[in-house]
Amino acid sequence: GAVVSQHPSWVICKSGTSVKIECRSLDFQATTMFWYRQFPKQSLMLMATSNEGSKATYEQGVEKDKFLINHASLTLSTLTVTSAHPEDSSFYICSARALDRTYEQYFGPGTRLTVT
Amino acid sequence: KQEVTQIPAALSVPEGENLVLNCSFTDSAIYNLQWFRQDPGKGLTSLLLIQSSQREQTSGRLNASLDKSSGRSTLYIAASQPGDSATYLCAVSDNNDMRFGAGTRLTVKP
Repeated sequence: GAVVSQHPSWVICKSGTSVKIECRSLDFQATTMFWYRQFPKQSLMLMATSNEGSKATYEQGVEKDKFLINHASLTLSTLTVTSAHPEDSSFYICSARALDRTYEQYFGPGTRLTVT
Repeated sequence: KQEVTQIPAALSVPEGENLVLNCSFTDSAIYNLQWFRQDPGKGLTSLLLIQSSQREQTSGRLNASLDKSSGRSTLYIAASQPGDSATYLCAVSDNNDMRFGAGTRLTVKP
């Protein structure tokens, strides 16, 4: 149990276009989902926290108008990278915190974004 | 804001050695601490989760300890194998979110 999926697993897009990444909790309901970004040889940095039905909370330095997060249901959160630039190329990982499992997070397999 | 530090940043050992990875955190008001493994280009694999009320957890050759009052955790790997080569990440959770250390890159040489 407690499986989180991400789609797509990798994506290549042209500079200036937008890309949407989906994060789904497959066998549990998640009140809270988290989005992380990881640059090569660096650790995971929290970008934002999203709660179902409300606006996401962004970490300092993360542009909310560039990284649009929607958490429309208890099993789905989406991250849209708008007007992507090469410096947005990174590994994006989501996690979900279950309703009935206090503070334990389950991680998706990640999405590799390359902006050309 | 919680800060998580991992030492060493990189470690290279011969196969068969026992080793210890260290993690420290600045705010002891945590709910749990988790150790992950990450292979190059891959996602996270959860290794051990220690709740704040616990002092250690064991899984196979892995043993993780937690001293919440001093803000420290260690991950002990016994009889290391080349397949253990990966980056090991420590992460602490409070009521808001989870914060990661920078990781220890482990290489186990045959």
